[in-house]
Order: sequence, then C-alpha cells, then structure tokens
Amino acid sequence: SAVISQKPSRDICQRGTSLTIQCQVDSQVTMMFWYRQQPGQSLTLIATANQGSEATYESGFVIDKFPISRPNLTFSTLTVSNMSPEDSSIYLCSVDGGTKNIQYFGAGTRLSVL
Amino acid sequence: AQSVTQLGSHVSVSEGALVLLRCNYSSSVPPYLFWYVQYPNQGLQLLLKYTSAATLVKGINGFEAEFKKSETSFHLTKPSAHMSDAAEYFCAVTQPGANNLFFGTGTRLTVIP
Repeated sequence: SAVISQKPSRDICQRGTSLTIQCQVDSQVTMMFWYRQQPGQSLTLIATANQGSEATYESGFVIDKFPISRPNLTFSTLTVSNMSPEDSSIYLCSVDGGTKNIQYFGAGTRLSVL
Repeated sequence: AQSVTQLGSHVSVSEGALVLLRCNYSSSVPPYLFWYVQYPNQGLQLLLKYTSAATLVKGINGFEAEFKKSETSFHLTKPSAHMSDAAEYFCAVTQPGANNLFFGTGTRLTVIP
C-alpha cells in the first residue's frame, strides 16, 4: 500500500480566502483523487487528477472553485477558492492502488470556514 | 449507475458480540466492492475488497464480508467485537476499469463495554 501525506491536517479560514491542500505519496501513481466529506455525510468525489493533463471534475464541482495541480507522479494540490462556511468539510486525497480499483487514502484536511 | 445503501447509520454492540454491518449495492455490471474504516480524526483505511474472486472475503482485524449476488449484498461481519472496532465504516462500489468509488453514507459502530 502507499503512504500518503496531506498538509495541512486542519485549518480555520476566513470567508473569502483560499486554501491550498497538498497531497504527497511515497511512490509514483497514475491517478490521484480528491474527495469531500461534509459533516455527517459520506465521501463525494471532486475530481480525478492525472499527471500532465487537466483534472476531470465530477458533476457539481468546477475548476474555478477547486483548481487542482498535478505536477508529477507523486504530488497534487487542491485549492478551495473564495471559501464560504458551506465549504467546511474534510477534504481527502486518495491514490490509485495499481490494481483492482483499490484506492488508498490520506488522513484528510479538516477545514472550518468562519 | 452504481450505488450502495448502508442500512443503519448507527449500530451498537456489546464487547464480544457479533458485529453485522449491512451493505446493499446496485450495479448494472458485475461490481467491485469495498469496505473502508475511518477511525476518529483519521483517513480511510481499506478493510477488505471483493474483486470477482472468492465470494467470502477476509480482511484485516478479523473482519470478513460475503458477496451475495442474489441478494445484491456485501455485509460486513466480525464474530467478536472489540473496543478498538469503534469507528465509522463505509461500503463502496465501483466497476472494473472505472476510477470512481461510490460510497455509502456510513455506519457508526459503537462498542459497549
């Protein structure tokens, strides 16, 4: 399995600001994924990030609000832009496990927007 | 389209009792199914997976799940609950070759001493 590090682990931000979340994996992976887990709810996929191409966003998520970078095979960032209290969630990074659709997850970033 | 339904958002069991967490899936093609566990303030950890091999799948920490196509179910069981099993459990489904995991709404397991 892969070891995934997410930074920051938590943050409290002001309305209207932006936060960039980093995801670092200890091995090269083809696909990286970003999920949102709103309070008391399940995980929802925001986008899939492949190295060297634009991220693919799921319905309801747009690049202007959640820009994603994937500069190499071990790193990705997700930015939550122009934040509002509704963006308060846990944001999780996961990576393709290389076989049978398995994904491995980071510990998440707990974001509170005031 | 694919989806999973987890019956019971909260389940409480006594320490040493059987754990049964229910998951039913919907999929137009043969699915891959997963159970993940989320401990407080942590990310998701893969417990076990079904990927079209043996229908009874054994995972970590003594958990197992059985894929029953006729019932479209993939329930998670453990013979004897331990205090350390208290966590949120998520069932997820995907199809071979797809990227997206579809998660259920989760079941919070409480273990009573």
